[in-house]
Amino acid sequence: DTEVTQTPKHLVMGMTNKKSLKCEQHMGHRAMYWYKQKAKKPPELMFVYSYEKLSINESVPSRFSPECPNSSLLNLHLHALQPEDSALYLCASSRQGEGPQHFGDGTRLSIL
Amino acid sequence: KQEVTQIPAALSVPEGENLVLNCSFTDSAIYNLQWFRQDPGKGLTSLLLIQSSQREQTSGRLNASLDKSSGRSTLYIAASQPGDSATYLCAVRPGAAGNKLTFGGGTRVLVKP
Repeated sequence: DTEVTQTPKHLVMGMTNKKSLKCEQHMGHRAMYWYKQKAKKPPELMFVYSYEKLSINESVPSRFSPECPNSSLLNLHLHALQPEDSALYLCASSRQGEGPQHFGDGTRLSIL
Repeated sequence: KQEVTQIPAALSVPEGENLVLNCSFTDSAIYNLQWFRQDPGKGLTSLLLIQSSQREQTSGRLNASLDKSSGRSTLYIAASQPGDSATYLCAVRPGAAGNKLTFGGGTRVLVKP
């Protein structure tokens, strides 16, 4: 069982919908991450939050909007996505400044 | 710019054979290197993390070595089992202050019964 929990596991949405992906960890980690992974490719970093503040934005389109309401939660708000945004979205967390990154099982997102 | 390469991209072995997975990186100034396993449609499971000051880490049938000067890490899996079939990814972290990982492309492993 993973210690990073992501919901929902699967999401199908139209290009005009607004939805949110959620991630939760209770390991006391102060760094949290969003990754995007396409089939047969390694994960690509999207955002990093450090102590609840956005520290890295890898030039992600504004239709993806991250939010870190507290040290245990990380959200990714989605709006007006494109079909090429269909992918597995992974959340991860780590101790700030050290230690391994722990990943959730991801949300499989399909854009119609 | 750090580049991480994993060769081969795919590997098939009979059950019981030892697995040797390779990871190479171009910039030796790394903070640590992490090996992951990913099953189809699932997230990444952390297997081993080697700090830059370490030469190897072991966990059960898994052993990972690190040679920073040559830019290489190797993951050994002893006595492979069909349950070891998965994609194995390595990732390097550039520095203590940086949280960004650079991933290799992964090696897809099939262990045949």
